[in-house]
Amino acid sequence: SAVISQKPSRDICQRGTSLTIQCQVDSQVTMMFWYRQQPGQSLTLIATANQGSEATYESGFVIDKFPISRPNLTFSTLTVSNMSPEDSSIYLCSVAGRMNTEAFFGQGTRLTVV
Amino acid sequence: DAKTTQPTSMDCAEGRAANLPCNHSTISGNEYVYWYRQIHSQGPQYIIHGLKNNETNEMASLIITEDRKSSTLILPHATLRDTAVYYCIVRVAHVSAAGNKLTFGGGTRVLVKP
Repeated sequence: SAVISQKPSRDICQRGTSLTIQCQVDSQVTMMFWYRQQPGQSLTLIATANQGSEATYESGFVIDKFPISRPNLTFSTLTVSNMSPEDSSIYLCSVAGRMNTEAFFGQGTRLTVV
Repeated sequence: DAKTTQPTSMDCAEGRAANLPCNHSTISGNEYVYWYRQIHSQGPQYIIHGLKNNETNEMASLIITEDRKSSTLILPHATLRDTAVYYCIVRVAHVSAAGNKLTFGGGTRVLVKP
């Protein structure tokens, strides 16, 4: 299994500011996935982060709002830009297991925008 | 990926078997059935997956109907710690990490009662 560490675990931010969430994996992985979970809702995929190329965003999510970095095979960041209260959610990082048979998730970053 | 339909919620008694149904009538021949669960304030956790044969591991059993249009996750002896949201997900064969880009439905909120 993969061990995923996310930082920060939670934060309260002022509207209009930006927050960068870090995701560190204990092994090299080709793809990392970023999800959002709005209050009381299921998970929604934001984007797929590949090392050495631009992230691929899902419908409804854009790079200007959620820029992603993937500098190496064990690390990625997701920035939530120009935040509004509607961005209050849990943001989760995920990676595929060694045999690509299952996904592993971090504990998530609980973001509250005030 | 094919869509899945699950009951919104269900209760079960501690120590008894919990049977969680899932319908996936549009599943394709190369799609697997996966189950994840999300305990409150944690990231989703992989439980089990299967293609067409029944599967069992240390956490649960997965029963897939012969026509593969539905499946049942069985927690053999539910404990209070099994209280969680359970997600049934259909995804393509795991030939690449991209297959771990998951589409989450609403899931079943399971409450295990003493």
